[in-house]
Amino acid sequence: DAKTTQPPSMDCAEGRAANLPCNHSTISGNEYVYWYRQIHSQGPQYIIHGLKNNETNEMASLIITEDRKSSTLILPHATLRDTAVYYCIVRGGNDYKLSFGAGTTVTVRA
Amino acid sequence: NAGVTQTPKFQVLKTGQSMTLQCAQDMNHNSMYWYRQDPGMGLRLIYYSASEGTTDKGEVPNGYNVSRLNKREFSLRLESAAPSQTSVYFCASRGQGANGYTFGSGTRLTVV
Repeated sequence: DAKTTQPPSMDCAEGRAANLPCNHSTISGNEYVYWYRQIHSQGPQYIIHGLKNNETNEMASLIITEDRKSSTLILPHATLRDTAVYYCIVRGGNDYKLSFGAGTTVTVRA
Repeated sequence: NAGVTQTPKFQVLKTGQSMTLQCAQDMNHNSMYWYRQDPGMGLRLIYYSASEGTTDKGEVPNGYNVSRLNKREFSLRLESAAPSQTSVYFCASRGQGANGYTFGSGTRLTVV
C-alpha cells in the first residue's frame, strides 16, 4: 500500500468547513483513497472513498488532485460530534487489507 | 441492528491464560479482519480472512491464531496471553464490491 501523510492535529470552529489534507505521492493507478474516522473508543467508521474523480456523500466531500498525489476531505459544516481521529488510507482495488497510519486528530470547538 | 458484533466487550487476563475473542457479522460479507489498537496508535492488522475457509497473516500475527468458523464468524485466539497483548481489538468485515469496511465496537483486553 502507498504511504499517506497527514497532519497530526487540527482545530475547526463549529459550523465551519473542515478541510483535512492527505498526501499520497506514491499512489499507483489502481489504488483508491479511503477516509475513515474514529470517534473516541469506538470502531472506525467509513466516510468516503474515490479513485480519480471528486466524490460527495451525505457525510463529506473528497477532492483528489489531478495527479492523484494528494487529496482533501471536506466536512462542510463541522459539528462537535465530528471531533475524531480521521484516517486517510490508500488501498488497491484487489487488496483485502486496510493499513492505518496515525491519522489527524480533529477537534471541533464551539 | 445489522453489523459486526464482538464479544466480550471487556476482559482481564492473567499472563499465560488463554481466551478467544468472538466476532460475528450478519451482512453476508465475504472478508473479515482482526485489528489491534494500542493507546495513541493507529490500527494494525493481525489476521484476515478473504473468504470462508481461508485465513492469512497481517502485520502482527505472532501470539495469535484465528478460525473462520463459517461465513458469519471469525474468532481470534490468544493461546498464552502476554502483557504486550494488552490492547483494544477490533473486528471488521467487508462484502464483495462493498465500499467500506464495517467495524465492531471493540474488545478491551488487559493482560496483567
